[in-house]
Amino acid sequence: QKEVEQNSGPLSVPEGAIASLNCTYSDRVSQSFFWYRQYSGKSPELIMSIYSNGDKEDGRFTAQLNKASQYVSLLIRDSQPSDSATYLCAVNAAPTRATPLTFGTGTRLAVRP
Amino acid sequence: EAEVAQSPRYKITEKSQAVAFWCDPISGHATLYWYRQILGQGPELLVQFQDESVVDDSQLPKDRFSAERLKGVDSTLKIQPAELGDSAMYLCASSLQGQGAQNTQYFGPGTRLTVL
Repeated sequence: QKEVEQNSGPLSVPEGAIASLNCTYSDRVSQSFFWYRQYSGKSPELIMSIYSNGDKEDGRFTAQLNKASQYVSLLIRDSQPSDSATYLCAVNAAPTRATPLTFGTGTRLAVRP
Repeated sequence: EAEVAQSPRYKITEKSQAVAFWCDPISGHATLYWYRQILGQGPELLVQFQDESVVDDSQLPKDRFSAERLKGVDSTLKIQPAELGDSAMYLCASSLQGQGAQNTQYFGPGTRLTVL
């Protein structure tokens, strides 16, 4: 069973709309959650991190975490064509030491001008 | 802004040849990771270093892959011999030692390997 699940997409939204990206994870001890953006042929770039239940906002991006439902999401407001990329959800289990990230397969977002 | 450095950016090789990738983490980052990303998938860990010590290499195909971080700073990942299935993006990431936000991992630009 895949530990981190994402809809592969593509998710297509018009410019200016809100894009909603979802991720579920299976390991209940997961403590840290990250969203990375990856343009085609490039490496992952950190967008957001979230550690506590609730919402965390950074500019046009909002991450939402619900540990009871094992669910984390990323909202992108006022979507721009430059947001077109693959968004990777990643989780980290150990709260007290450095451990590798477990990634989903990514959701491809396409923002239509 | 501090960045993770990797070289080469692209490598084309024939199967059975040896290849090597280099990574220099962000200054002060004790933890270094090598991930492999196959097209259409998320990155998967190959090996994790804490300073110069290997912490996790359970997913490293040790019959052909080797990794070292001799002085606890930069690192080299080697494949010998390369196989067709090794074609992928090889990503290096680093983080501070610790928990929570200190475990945020930052990725280098990656090395795109093509094995012919």
